[in-house]
Amino acid sequence: EIVLTQSPATLSLSPGERATLSCRASQSVSRYLAWYQQKPGQAPRLLIYDVSNRATGIPARFSGSGSGTDFTLTISRLEPEDFAVYYCQQRSDLFTFGPGTKVDHK
Amino acid sequence: QVQLVQSGAEVKKPGASVKVSCKASGYTFTDYFIHWVRQAPGQGLEWMGIINPSGGTTSYAQKFQGRVSMTRDTSTRTVYMELSSLRSEDTAVYYCTRDYDLEDNWFDPWGQGTLVTVSS
Repeated sequence: EIVLTQSPATLSLSPGERATLSCRASQSVSRYLAWYQQKPGQAPRLLIYDVSNRATGIPARFSGSGSGTDFTLTISRLEPEDFAVYYCQQRSDLFTFGPGTKVDHK
Repeated sequence: QVQLVQSGAEVKKPGASVKVSCKASGYTFTDYFIHWVRQAPGQGLEWMGIINPSGGTTSYAQKFQGRVSMTRDTSTRTVYMELSSLRSEDTAVYYCTRDYDLEDNWFDPWGQGTLVTVSS
């Protein structure tokens, strides 16, 4: 099973700041990596798929990069609605999720 | 618009079974695979399995093999997930979610979730 680790566990920032979230895979997942956002009491929402493609309706301030085993989700300028938990997910070998990074208010 | 609507919350005793439904609308039901993902309280996301609504074929995560069954009813555009031999660790919100695009196993949209509580 491919294990995904995310860092940091919590990221404390203010609106307008840049957020950089990391995801590392235990083995190469090629470009089969996605990012999801989940707010309290809500289902997750797909943000980025295939490393860097934004899903329909996702603002341009969200971007993804990386390949192989190391990936990054960047939120260029945090908006109030971006404070949430972010999960990475791979589909190279079945499907697994990372443990999540919580972006909260500084 | 594409929508997945799940059945309501359930409370079950240890050893019992639970069957959660997921009704799809807004697209051709047989064109997109459906997945089930669960989330224990305060925890992360865990993939349980996948069903092809067209032929009914399934694939389950090894952890749930022998305890989970996913089925579909094309006449009502509904997918079902049944989990048996419930234990307290199965207390979680269970989500159904669809492939984002044809032949693309990313997950979107998602149902609203069904809370299953296992308690004696």
